[in-house]
Amino acid sequence: SQQGEEDPQALSIQEGENATMNCSYKTSINNLQWYRQNSGRGLVHLILIRSNEREKHSGRLRVTLDTSKKSSSLLITASRAADTASYFCATDRGSTLGRLYFGRGTQLTVWP
Amino acid sequence: DTGVSQDPRHKITKRGQNVTFRCDPISEHNRLYWYRQTLGQGPEFLTYFQNEAQLEKSRLLSDRFSAERPKGSFSTLEIQRTEQGDSAMYLCASSFRDSESPLHFGNGTRLTVT
Repeated sequence: SQQGEEDPQALSIQEGENATMNCSYKTSINNLQWYRQNSGRGLVHLILIRSNEREKHSGRLRVTLDTSKKSSSLLITASRAADTASYFCATDRGSTLGRLYFGRGTQLTVWP
Repeated sequence: DTGVSQDPRHKITKRGQNVTFRCDPISEHNRLYWYRQTLGQGPEFLTYFQNEAQLEKSRLLSDRFSAERPKGSFSTLEIQRTEQGDSAMYLCASSFRDSESPLHFGNGTRLTVT
């Protein structure tokens, strides 16, 4: 079953704008990860944030985590057309076995 | 790191036929996962292996599905007596034995059951 919900389901912006995607989940977690998927391809890992972290940066990506609200956000700054993809959050549901449970994703379209 | 490879990329089969997919993980990885993804949805966990041992199977994995990972290297996922509802993208991923190790995904096998 799906772990969480991404919001919005679809986001359409112009190049240069920032894109913010949100994720909510239901269980305790050890960490939360964000992945990206281009159409017809596999998922690519973007960033991991531990449950005791509140914010993390990687290049143009900024991830926040609020465990009290069971939510996370992914911010992509200065977006590019090449950022067009689906973005998924995934959690471990508190397990250390490595398997992840994914949300339904946000489809991001960046127009040149 | 040659990445995770899956074969075939596409498979069209008639309802009732059996199909088998193959996954070759990154050689250093000891964990291997199978996921299923339908259009507009996120990947759903099916099963995973640590080396050659199948440690967990989702309730989504009916008796018609079987997965193996002989010798802890490549893995196969077989679906017997396929149904139209089996149409989906089947994704394989691998990782190190570390709860924070990211999953490396293959490009999937798209199954269409007619």
